[in-house]
Amino acid sequence: KNQVEQSPQSLIILEGKNCTLQCNYTVSPFSNLRWYKQDTGRGPVSLTIMTFSENTKSNGRYTATLDADTKQSSLHITASQLSDSASYICVVSDRGSTLGRLYFGRGTQLTVWP
Amino acid sequence: EADIYQTPRYLVIGTGKKITLECSQTMGHDKMYWYQQDPGMELHLIHYSYGVNSTEKGDLSSESTVSRIRTEHFPLTLESARPSHTSQYLCASSGTAERGGRDTQYFGPGTRLTVL
Repeated sequence: KNQVEQSPQSLIILEGKNCTLQCNYTVSPFSNLRWYKQDTGRGPVSLTIMTFSENTKSNGRYTATLDADTKQSSLHITASQLSDSASYICVVSDRGSTLGRLYFGRGTQLTVWP
Repeated sequence: EADIYQTPRYLVIGTGKKITLECSQTMGHDKMYWYQQDPGMELHLIHYSYGVNSTEKGDLSSESTVSRIRTEHFPLTLESARPSHTSQYLCASSGTAERGGRDTQYFGPGTRLTVL
């Protein structure tokens, strides 16, 4: 069973609108959580990284939140642009191994319409 | 933009052919990874390397093999491709530990492989 669940699976919004993507995880022991953006046909690009003690992190119009108690994270996109159309992947790292194993969600496919 | 490159970007081949997917990074990262990703699905780790002459199998069983003779180069080889190998293959690397104790992985653009 995937230890990182994302919702919604897909989302369509109009340009200029805001949206929030959700990520629930069961990974333990927790090390950090990243949000990646993956454009079609490209590799994922890191947007934010948060550790246990951080509950919010911003990167331009992207704001990620983390509730380590409930094991939930969200990615809020403000004033969406056409270039925001992509898959947004939640990635959780554990600290139980030297490699720092990554657990990937299946992503939320966001489409921004003009 | 991360300095990690993959070639070819797209490859269509027939069953039974031997192929090598190339991955190179110019960031001096010691760790490198290969992932397999099917449409709408999560990335699955198939190989990783801590450094030169170090290679390990990942979580997803794969018939592919890898080598790490140079720090910057981490090629993946399929001796005899089959239609079940059709997928997107993503290479990644990571280096200096960030605050929080874990490296950020930088991904290449991927190779879309189709085996007929």
